[in-house]
Amino acid sequence: GENVEQHPSTLSVQEGDSAVIKCTYSDSASNYFPWYKQELGKGPQLIIDIRSNVGEKKDQRIAVTLNKTAKHFSLHITETQPEDSAVYFCAAMTGNTPLVFGKGTRLSVIA
Amino acid sequence: GAGVSQSPSNKVTEKGKDVELRCDPISGHTALYWYRQSLGQGLEFLIYFQGNSAPDKSGLPSDRFSAERTGGSVSTLTIQRTQQEDSAVYLCASSQVPGPYGYTFGSGTRLTVV
Repeated sequence: GENVEQHPSTLSVQEGDSAVIKCTYSDSASNYFPWYKQELGKGPQLIIDIRSNVGEKKDQRIAVTLNKTAKHFSLHITETQPEDSAVYFCAAMTGNTPLVFGKGTRLSVIA
Repeated sequence: GAGVSQSPSNKVTEKGKDVELRCDPISGHTALYWYRQSLGQGLEFLIYFQGNSAPDKSGLPSDRFSAERTGGSVSTLTIQRTQQEDSAVYLCASSQVPGPYGYTFGSGTRLTVV
């Protein structure tokens, strides 16, 4: 089955700097890669996703890149703000099977 | 409803007791998923429903865990004879249909077994 590895587990950045979180997946047939943000006491919330026929997608300050050959995808957050502090999860899906999640990255943005 | 609703939000139970966790998905969403999140860990898949059927029960940790969904809507996750290692946040999510679409998660039920 699918296995998703996520790095780093914790990340601290200065406000205004960029943050990058990386994930690798094992199943070359995986076709959908969402990213979720989880704030304290809340459920994960979808922030951006990418499908296997696309290499990059942007939405304001966040972007995701996908390298199918390397089975690697990344989340980029630019101009970080204190409210970006949260736990971020990557995930991968093969066909219609349930999402498989990485173990999460705790991002702290220091004002 | 407007979002995925889970109840109770918190549950403290004694070891050996049974518990029921409830999930009310977004109206019209046919796919419903249960995940478990242990402290500092990622999301562990438990079971999913397409309508009232459960095509994939592979993630249920033991036969003490069961789930059902009725009327294509509300789902309950039951844990019998709870153990301390069952302590975790149980998250429910729904999507319009199974497949490459975003899930909407509820806020979860924090279960503590003492």
